[in-house]
Amino acid sequence: KAGVTQTPRYLIKTRGQQVTLSCSPISGHRSVSWYQQTPGQGLQFLFEYFSETQRNKGNFPGRFSGRQFSNSRSEMNVSTLELGDSALYLCASSLTGATEAFFGQGTRLTVV
Amino acid sequence: DQQVKQNSPSLSVQEGRISILNCDYTNSMFDYFLWYKKYPAEGPTFLISISSIKDKNEDGRFTVFLNKSAKHLSLHIVPSQPGDSAVYFCAARATGTYKYIFGTGTRLKVLA
Repeated sequence: KAGVTQTPRYLIKTRGQQVTLSCSPISGHRSVSWYQQTPGQGLQFLFEYFSETQRNKGNFPGRFSGRQFSNSRSEMNVSTLELGDSALYLCASSLTGATEAFFGQGTRLTVV
Repeated sequence: DQQVKQNSPSLSVQEGRISILNCDYTNSMFDYFLWYKKYPAEGPTFLISISSIKDKNEDGRFTVFLNKSAKHLSLHIVPSQPGDSAVYFCAARATGTYKYIFGTGTRLKVLA
């Protein structure tokens, strides 16, 4: 059974640009969550989607947005990139969102 | 406001001995707790979970204990192996939500 797949693995962008990250969940999982990991801050929750609906949102500015498609694949978009957005972005999938979540390897975003 | 705290940033243990990783939380609405292990440049790997209706859950070398009155959980690894060296995160979910709040992690080093 394939795990959670995130693409791309690495990304370098310039301040002011926008970026889209992709996540394919484990087959059969309908919940997808996104987290940002920075040194010293641990994993910070961004948002969670289930059946194309956002059910929970973390404390991030509106520049961070996401969506989920009917096949449960999800994308995350960050507009007007800032240097502080440099981080490892992790996607996790679970069957319903109420059980254990399984993470992908992450996308390392560097903003220069 | 850090609702999930891992107060020990690092821990060193001899191979074969017990590793005990601790986690404290403040939100009494948390009802589901998980432990993850993370290697550098990889996503977190799910280890074990526990519901608030239990006080102990075992899976092989890993046991999680939950003390609801103290709002404290711990992960015991017995016996510890060099391959267990990683950063360990505890996470908690509040009733009725679909987001996990993570601690800042404890780096475990198992010495051969």
